[in-house]
Amino acid sequence: AQTVTQSQPEMSVQEAETVTLSCTYDTSESDYYLFWYKQPPSRQMILVIRQEAYKQQNATENRFSVNFQKAAKSFSLKISDSQLGDAAMYFCALTSGTYKYIFGTGTRLKVLA
Amino acid sequence: ETGVTQTPRHLVMGMTNKKSLKCEQHLGHNAMYWYKQSAKKPLELMFVYNFKEQTENNSVPSRFSPECPNSSHLFLHLHTLQPEDSALYLCASTPNGMGKGETQYFGPGTRLLVL
Repeated sequence: AQTVTQSQPEMSVQEAETVTLSCTYDTSESDYYLFWYKQPPSRQMILVIRQEAYKQQNATENRFSVNFQKAAKSFSLKISDSQLGDAAMYFCALTSGTYKYIFGTGTRLKVLA
Repeated sequence: ETGVTQTPRHLVMGMTNKKSLKCEQHLGHNAMYWYKQSAKKPLELMFVYNFKEQTENNSVPSRFSPECPNSSHLFLHLHTLQPEDSALYLCASTPNGMGKGETQYFGPGTRLLVL
């Protein structure tokens, strides 16, 4: 069975600072994909960043980057220069097949002005 | 309208009522999904439709009945629900249901309260 674990229910960061959200996963598949999704208070979930397991290079999208440690099955999200608009629930997700997406329980990020 | 839309945004119903949730995607995608989101739980996949055919039913109780008349529309028909069914119901779509690792595009959700 595949699992995704987010051990931090809530995190806080000062505006302009850097924060790292943790995610660990378990899968027996060799070909899989990992995602971070953001769900702002308005509830529409959007993709933050996507990582293909076969790629060694960590994905980066502007202020968002991941630390993908394949052997450790770890996929953390780093947010640099945090902004008030980054406040949201962040979900880590895994898929190895065509339909099954496994999500973690989420981390609520608060950004302090 | 762009993206994925859901109506209604909020719904309160009694246990004996029948209601329907609607999802529409304007992205030209071929696969659509229903998820249940409860507090402090992972998103639970309920149903998947690919090219209008149901490809996944994740052991969902029969009081939830999905319908996908075409690739753009997805419904979730509700009847005789229980209070524990209260949750946020999210619709999502992906471009090609047979594609691996596709990004999911989500709607804003319907907040359902069962009294």
